[in-house]
Amino acid sequence: DAGVTQSPTHLIKTRGQQVTLRCSPKSGHDTVSWYQQALGQGPQFIFQYYEEEERQRGNFPDRFSGHQFPNYSSELNVNALLLGDSALYLCASSDGRATGDRSGQPQHFGDGTRLSIL
Amino acid sequence: DAKTTQPPSMDCAEGRAANLPCNHSTISGNEYVYWYRQIHSQGPQYIIHGLKNNETNEMASLIITEDRKSSTLILPHATLRDTAVYYCIVVRLWVVGNEKLTFGTGTRLTIIP
Repeated sequence: DAGVTQSPTHLIKTRGQQVTLRCSPKSGHDTVSWYQQALGQGPQFIFQYYEEEERQRGNFPDRFSGHQFPNYSSELNVNALLLGDSALYLCASSDGRATGDRSGQPQHFGDGTRLSIL
Repeated sequence: DAKTTQPPSMDCAEGRAANLPCNHSTISGNEYVYWYRQIHSQGPQYIIHGLKNNETNEMASLIITEDRKSSTLILPHATLRDTAVYYCIVVRLWVVGNEKLTFGTGTRLTIIP
């Protein structure tokens, strides 16, 4: 049973460029969340996709956008890259139909894409 | 969501029990305590969660105080592979799988040979 997979593992871009990161959720999961983790910090929530729509969003500018496909996989797009966008980008998947389940359904994370901006 | 406070770093001897504290004094009645850990160069890994009762699984035990204002994660026999950053997160009850997780800076646990 494959877990959450992300591609690519590493990426180098220059300021002003655009980047697309990809995520395949764990089998049986339909919800994908994206997080940004700067060096030495905990992950910060960017947004979450469910049923191909953005369901909730963190405090990130519109340069950060996403998409979810019918097979539940997802993309994170970042436009007009800044030096400060250098970070580890994490994807987490979960079961969106588990709402109300008292036993709790934890999010499962991939190992991330390391994005470096030069 | 309630905020959490954790010590920035801890050391533990290999083979001993590692006890990681977390303060969540503003926790609400409908909020779970979740623990994740992040080993270097990997994504966060779910460890355990609880509401008000103590919980145990194959990885760890979670002890929540009666007033729910603090908790302790216990790794019973720490190994070198347990060296990681440990995050304590408070999450609302009904939408755990869909709730945005608010990570702090966690506790960096180092297991000493």
